[in-house]
Amino acid sequence: AQRVTQPEKLLSVFKGAPVELKCNYSYSGSPELFWYVQYSRQRLQLLLRHISRESIKGFTADLNKGETSFHLKKPFAQEEDSAMYYCALNNNQGGKLIFGQGTELSVKP
Amino acid sequence: GAVVSQHPSWVICKSGTSVKIECRSLDFQATTMFWYRQFPKQSLMLMATSNEGSKATYEQGVEKDKFLINHASLTLSTLTVTSAHPEDSSFYICSAQGLSNTEAFFGQGTRLTVV
Repeated sequence: AQRVTQPEKLLSVFKGAPVELKCNYSYSGSPELFWYVQYSRQRLQLLLRHISRESIKGFTADLNKGETSFHLKKPFAQEEDSAMYYCALNNNQGGKLIFGQGTELSVKP
Repeated sequence: GAVVSQHPSWVICKSGTSVKIECRSLDFQATTMFWYRQFPKQSLMLMATSNEGSKATYEQGVEKDKFLINHASLTLSTLTVTSAHPEDSSFYICSAQGLSNTEAFFGQGTRLTVV
């Protein structure tokens, strides 16, 4: 079954601390994975996708096929990073996205 | 990035009435649009996929007669919640995807409250 799992519902860190939001997936083919972010009262927006291998707002994510993971990392969290983060998988069926449950990141001053 | 606009942003309706939510792609042609439902602090649950000019494909457990989807043009898809009940109260989000890439752009969502 195709599934995306984000085990942490809430992650709370202090400003300047490293942060890692976990994402594991279950997919039989070659997945295309994304991280979306939803700031308070704003729409969902793409943060990064694994195929572009870029760093956005200091966040990076590496696809680990052996561990079927796509964890999101940032070395030094900022207060403005506080938001809901969703890991998503494109199952290559017309662009349909399968979302994880979401992790709320709270960065305290 | 591309812009997707939903209208209305919020709506309150009486139980038993129908509500239409529009999803427009403003600066690109959306061959595919997706409708999601999101409960507070929970994930987005895909309800249906609509392709321009054809019938929508509904996810398992979603009543197609209750959630009518129309995708009549490359820039507009509508979701009509028919005979709404309080349990239909939720946040409905659409996303649109163009032909040339796999990135989906999201609307701002519509908060539906059925009283």
